[in-house]
Amino acid sequence: QQQVKQSPQSLIVQKGGISIINCAYENTAFDYFPWYQQFPGKGPALLIAIRPDVSEKKEGRFTISFNKSAKQFSLHIMDSQPGDSATYFCAASGDNYGQNFVFGPGTRLSVLP
Amino acid sequence: GAGVSQSPSNKVTEKGKDVELRCDPISGHTALYWYRQSLGQGLEFLIYFQGNSAPDKSGLPSDRFSAERTGGSVSTLTIQRTQQEDSAVYLCASSSTGWSTDTQYFGPGTRLTVL
Repeated sequence: QQQVKQSPQSLIVQKGGISIINCAYENTAFDYFPWYQQFPGKGPALLIAIRPDVSEKKEGRFTISFNKSAKQFSLHIMDSQPGDSATYFCAASGDNYGQNFVFGPGTRLSVLP
Repeated sequence: GAGVSQSPSNKVTEKGKDVELRCDPISGHTALYWYRQSLGQGLEFLIYFQGNSAPDKSGLPSDRFSAERTGGSVSTLTIQRTQQEDSAVYLCASSSTGWSTDTQYFGPGTRLTVL
């Protein structure tokens, strides 16, 4: 019940295309859903996050879609660029102090020039 | 420094030896987290500090793993009698208050290789 499932494991997209990464969770106590971006040799960095009181959040080319009833959320990267090539992790946590994040296994995105 | 720093960046050790990994969080951040990232895997939570105390140690995989934090700042993760399965990248993160929606800022990690 603590798992966050993520798919696909890897994704190849042409420059200018749309990248879509999907995540699903079971624990209904999860209340905060961030996405992290990790470049090789670097630590993950927060990209965008959503709370379940909204169904969509957009920041620039990055959009999170959230479906509370299905317990699913997804990251959409519009107009994908080669610089977006990285590993993306979805995560979930409760809304409290010290709630440790449960991370998905990651999606390796490659955007071809 | 402006970000979270970790040392060493790489550590190669022999099976059975003890290792210490260091994390310097962002100044003023009260919360500090340790994670482990195995090759091609997601991040596995190890331990969380609020100040110098560790209210959540639930992720430590065995009693060979321990961590401490002093002065509400630097933290050390110690692995005793290292095993080959301990090989991974160990990541440290800090956040300002420890509330779940606070952004966690990650360091670059320490890559541990146990021969």
